[in-house]
Amino acid sequence: NAGVTQTPKFQVLKTGQSMTLQCAQDMNHNSMYWYRQDPGMGLRLIYYSASEGTTDKGEVPNGYNVSRLNKREFSLRLESAAPSQTSVYFCATSIGGNEQYFGPGTRLTVT
Amino acid sequence: DAKTTQPTSMDCAEGRAANLPCNHSTISGNEYVYWYRQIHSQGPQYIIHGLKNNETNEMASLIITEDRKSSTLILPHATLRDTAVYYCIVPRNYNDYKLSFGAGTTVTVRA
Repeated sequence: NAGVTQTPKFQVLKTGQSMTLQCAQDMNHNSMYWYRQDPGMGLRLIYYSASEGTTDKGEVPNGYNVSRLNKREFSLRLESAAPSQTSVYFCATSIGGNEQYFGPGTRLTVT
Repeated sequence: DAKTTQPTSMDCAEGRAANLPCNHSTISGNEYVYWYRQIHSQGPQYIIHGLKNNETNEMASLIITEDRKSSTLILPHATLRDTAVYYCIVPRNYNDYKLSFGAGTTVTVRA
């Protein structure tokens, strides 16, 4: 039972490159989330998916797109990476509500 | 989310109880209090939540005052592995989906 897994763990991109961060869960939770955490700061919600087939913007959605592929998987795409997107990205899941379970994070550096 | 106020940092001796305060004086009647923690370089971890009754689980106890304007998270026997940033969060509603992680309290457990 892996819980919430994220790939890759680390990534370095050049400005303008694109990439997709993957998140998968085996907890059978309905809701999934993507957060970013900049150094020394709290987490900020990028996008969330309350249930399969739905996605909604969070606090800082600009520059990102998401896909809820199925109940298990929720991906985050950076179409044209910028240095301001250097951050640690966390995926989370919940049955529905505020008891959320987080993955280990993806550390992204954009040069 | 209702505004929460936590001390910036606190120290605790290993093996002793750690009592983490949180002020949420603007909380409304149906808003829950949630506690999370984030150990360095890891994703946040859900600890416990409550509405008005005291709650206990295998990780911690949550004591909410009768007027609900403040609460205390108690780690009964702190270990070095409890060193982390602890967040007190009061979401707008039970299915808000948008947790707001502030600065939290940095707890250092010392041997």
